[in-house]
Amino acid sequence: AQSVAQPEDQVNVAEGNPLTVKCTYSVSGNPYLFWYVQYPNRGLQFLLKYITGDNLVKGSYGFEAEFNKSQTSFHLKKPSALVSDSALYFCAVRDGVPSGSARQLTFGSGTQLTVLP
Amino acid sequence: DAGVIQSPRHEVTEMGQEVTLRCKPISGHDYLFWYRQTMMRGLELLIYFNNNVPIDDSGMPEDRFSAKMPNASFSTLKIQPSEPRDSAVYFCASSLGTGGSTGELFFGEGSRLTVL
Repeated sequence: AQSVAQPEDQVNVAEGNPLTVKCTYSVSGNPYLFWYVQYPNRGLQFLLKYITGDNLVKGSYGFEAEFNKSQTSFHLKKPSALVSDSALYFCAVRDGVPSGSARQLTFGSGTQLTVLP
Repeated sequence: DAGVIQSPRHEVTEMGQEVTLRCKPISGHDYLFWYRQTMMRGLELLIYFNNNVPIDDSGMPEDRFSAKMPNASFSTLKIQPSEPRDSAVYFCASSLGTGGSTGELFFGEGSRLTVL
């Protein structure tokens, strides 16, 4: 079974400060890890993914995430937060399969990020 | 590409009425997923299809819910009869599962259902 935990329901950060949104996972094989963002009244949008390779993954809008195998974590980061980054962020995981078949993702419960001006 | 297209964006109906939500996936994608999002339960996977065939419907809450995918470019989620507890935002998503794809999902804008 695979699972994802986002321990913080809410993260507040001042504009210009660095931000971190936490995610830990559990999966039986090699993890495929994803971050999605949801703005109000919109669908989820793909931000970035880790499949293999460099532990630091760069994505859209200046976001990056660090894969840490020993801590089973995949925290989302940004060096300098913008008010426009305020949104709901979801971490997701699935077991990597060599065939490339798209098994279902397991999503975390979401973290509401608020960037204060 | 136009992305995943869902309709209607908003639906208000009365308890007992039939509701049909529609989805057009991204052309060429071979997986289609239906999710439901509520404040209480978060994002729940209801059912997913591969090449138009339902693979896992274990998330469908009860027999009032049914989903079909008659062809590669269209899917429906039907609730009959609807109940107030079905009020939620329903998302359709598609992905490419073949050719070594890593399978990230592409979501539609959602259909907000309110059952009075």
